[in-house]
Amino acid sequence: LAKTTQPISMDSYEGQEVNITCSHNNIATNDYITWYQQFPSQGPRFIIQGYKTKVTNEVASLFIPADRKSSTLSLPRVSLSDTAVYYCLVVAGFQKLVFGTGTRLLVSP
Amino acid sequence: NAGVTQTPKFRVLKTGQSMTLLCAQDMNHEYMYWYRQDPGMGLRLIHYSVGEGTTAKGEVPDGYNVSRLKKQNFLLGLESAAPSQTSVYFCASSWAEASTDTQYFGPGTRLTVL
Repeated sequence: LAKTTQPISMDSYEGQEVNITCSHNNIATNDYITWYQQFPSQGPRFIIQGYKTKVTNEVASLFIPADRKSSTLSLPRVSLSDTAVYYCLVVAGFQKLVFGTGTRLLVSP
Repeated sequence: NAGVTQTPKFRVLKTGQSMTLLCAQDMNHEYMYWYRQDPGMGLRLIHYSVGEGTTAKGEVPDGYNVSRLKKQNFLLGLESAAPSQTSVYFCASSWAEASTDTQYFGPGTRLTVL
């Protein structure tokens, strides 16, 4: 089981780039890395997914080193509306679908 | 498209009572999931379904039952509610396995068991 470790919380200011790193030392060959965002009183929302190297979409980038034992979610130029909890999910198989406690990101003016 | 909807949004039960939570999706997804989220915690998978008529246990299935009689609906039942089942319940669906595909989540049901 690929256990994930993330910082409990992070603080940032509007306009800054935020990088949230997730450690997953026991990641298996078939595991993908997925990041979700969750606002209070809402269900999680998909941000980005990757297997190796770098993935970029309209909202974020995901950096995965060659050994895949960690991954970094990069949010460019955050705004107040990016204040949320961010979950790193590493899973291969249904019984391993476990969200960790996530990282609470607070963006201030 | 409504996406994933959950009924009800809130519910208060007494210990020993039963209830059913309904999840509906209009995206023609094969896979559906039920999670619970306790305060300050991540989500834990209760049960899941890989298609109409199929269900399977997740990480924390005890005390819950599920049914997937129609592809678009996934029901979560509590036969005899306990205070430990006080939580927020989220339903999700996806085209393919969650490991390689996006899960779409509903807005959640907040359940309190007294």
